[in-house]
Amino acid sequence: DAGITQSPRHKVTETGTPVTLRCHQTENHRYMYWYRQDPGHGLRLIHYSYGVKDTDKGEVSDGYSVSRSKTEDFLLTLESATSSQTSVYFCAISESGQITDTQYFGPGTRLTVL
Amino acid sequence: QKEVEQNSGPLSVPEGAIASLNCTYSDRGSQSFFWYRQYSGKSPELIMSIYSNGDKEDGRFTAQLNKASQYVSLLIRDSQPSDSATYLCAVNEGNTPLVFGKGTRLSVIA
Repeated sequence: DAGITQSPRHKVTETGTPVTLRCHQTENHRYMYWYRQDPGHGLRLIHYSYGVKDTDKGEVSDGYSVSRSKTEDFLLTLESATSSQTSVYFCAISESGQITDTQYFGPGTRLTVL
Repeated sequence: QKEVEQNSGPLSVPEGAIASLNCTYSDRGSQSFFWYRQYSGKSPELIMSIYSNGDKEDGRFTAQLNKASQYVSLLIRDSQPSDSATYLCAVNEGNTPLVFGKGTRLSVIA
């Protein structure tokens, strides 16, 4: 157990509304990641962070923003949710402080945009 | 664009047989290789990591890496129905995040 929690675990929202997903870790890991997982597409990286206020884009970053004001929290925001953002979102951390190292995943958030 | 390819399956094997899962990757500079298992509705969990050419064994699982052929595989011996899941291959090159394959769905038939 890498001490990763995600909230909320499930959310239903309407198109055009803002949504923020939270990832919380308890062990001061440097690297944190947000992925989305969709049938036929696998896990795709949205954004990642390598420290407080240090973030970078992933493969599918359009329509998403992130913030990391504390080591333990990494927030993913959909400024104006669209139906194409209906997905399962996973947060992950790199255990040893290296981007090359093993990633461990949180339990996921299932987001439905109507 | 770095790519990691896996056969989507489903791969069906009888209980007790060896399941062989394969993964190819495009970036010759890749250095770290991982296999994750994901049960339906759950998050991915690490099975094994491998960094050097050759085989690495852990219980019923063996990871095989061939960097010259850009190929990594996972063998599951004595497959059990509880091994039925989607298996994700992930590859890392240098100072970049992991790239995941789309996964292979394994079904072990009792």
